[in-house]
Amino acid sequence: RKEVEQDPGPFNVPEGATVAFNCTYSNSASQSFFWYRQDCRKEPKLLMSVYSSGNEDGRFTAQLNRASQYISLLIRDSKLSDSATYLCVVNGDTGNQFYFGTGTSLTVIP
Amino acid sequence: GAVVSQHPSRVICKSGTSVKIECRSLDFQATTMFWYRQFPKQSLMLMATSNEGSKATYEQGVEKDKFLINHASLTLSTLTVTSAHPEDSSFYICSALRLFAGTGSTDTQYFGPGTRLTVL
Repeated sequence: RKEVEQDPGPFNVPEGATVAFNCTYSNSASQSFFWYRQDCRKEPKLLMSVYSSGNEDGRFTAQLNRASQYISLLIRDSKLSDSATYLCVVNGDTGNQFYFGTGTSLTVIP
Repeated sequence: GAVVSQHPSRVICKSGTSVKIECRSLDFQATTMFWYRQFPKQSLMLMATSNEGSKATYEQGVEKDKFLINHASLTLSTLTVTSAHPEDSSFYICSALRLFAGTGSTDTQYFGPGTRLTVL
């Protein structure tokens, strides 16, 4: 079983739509969770860390469900510029061990 | 956010030559840096974890004698692709781990802009 699993998509949504991605992880001891976005031929960029209480940054909301071992990312009022691949990252047993999901592709359509 | 630079951004070399890629954390010190490789339309693949002052830890299947890693300071790690071959052509990305101990924030990886290597 993979450490981190994501639905690869692609998700094609119209501008203004709300879209949600989920990511499941296998290690119940994981403590750190992140969402990154990666544009084509670019490096991943940190979108947000995910905290136990959930956190929001503008149109983006991240949540953690420890009981079911998944994290989610909700994007409201999608913009064309949101088109990218969204990577879920979870830490492992050691502080410098991180596992990446394969990424979920999002295309926002005019 | 933190700033990580990578140099060069793009390199084209002949088969058999060696290429060195530098990764620098510009506004924080990084005991740990990571090196990844990404082929077109594929996921990031971790190659090795670079630890300042000690040997790197390589992932299974990554040849340590081919991909030499040196992390001699808290702001610089280098990856040298030795005797490069066309199959080594890829997008190489480093990241630096920023520690937030005692601040309530989570230790976080920040990525360099990547190096696109083409071996002819």
